[in-house]
Amino acid sequence: NAGVTQTPKFRVLKTGQSMTLLCAQDMNHEYMYWYRQDPGMGLRLIHYSVGEGTTAKGEVPDGYNVSRLKKQNFLLGLESAAPSQTSVYFCASSSGQASYEQYFGPGTRLTVT
Amino acid sequence: QQQVKQSPQSLIVQKGGISIINCAYENTAFDYFPWYQQFPGKGPALLIAIRPDVSEKKEGRFTISFNKSAKQFSLHIMDSQPGDSATYFCAASSKSNYQLIWGAGTKLIIKP
Repeated sequence: NAGVTQTPKFRVLKTGQSMTLLCAQDMNHEYMYWYRQDPGMGLRLIHYSVGEGTTAKGEVPDGYNVSRLKKQNFLLGLESAAPSQTSVYFCASSSGQASYEQYFGPGTRLTVT
Repeated sequence: QQQVKQSPQSLIVQKGGISIINCAYENTAFDYFPWYQQFPGKGPALLIAIRPDVSEKKEGRFTISFNKSAKQFSLHIMDSQPGDSATYFCAASSKSNYQLIWGAGTKLIIKP
């Protein structure tokens, strides 16, 4: 099992450009999450999904969109990148009901210049 | 009320010593308190977790102490080793949505 995978691993964008980050999990998990990690601020939830076809806003959703068309994939889009979106992005998944443990991908380091 | 406050921000411990990281919360609905360990360039991974019906949980050199009345919990790493050098996050969650509320993290360095 690969667990949770993320592509790409690194990306540099210019202000105003758009991009999509892909997260895939092979554990048949219902719940999936997108976080951003900034120094001294821990992990902040951007968006999450409790099942195929569903999405919901987290703590810091502005400037991001997500889609969960297939159970195993969760996409994070940046419509018009800003320097404030420079961060490390982590995807995670969990089985959902009665299970709190989240499994994380290796992260995507995004720099917006 | 949703916050989890973690301290210290960074910690240096000699090899063989005890590392202690503390967290405090406000929301009494929280019923799950995990600690995650993150190595540089990797995603966080679950280390150990506790539910509020017990005051302590031990797994090898790692122990969570939980004080329900004070709304605090802590991670103790006994006989700390250089391989324990990592960033540690506490978190909390409740059955209402299974989302994890994260502390800000503690960067732990174990000096040989």
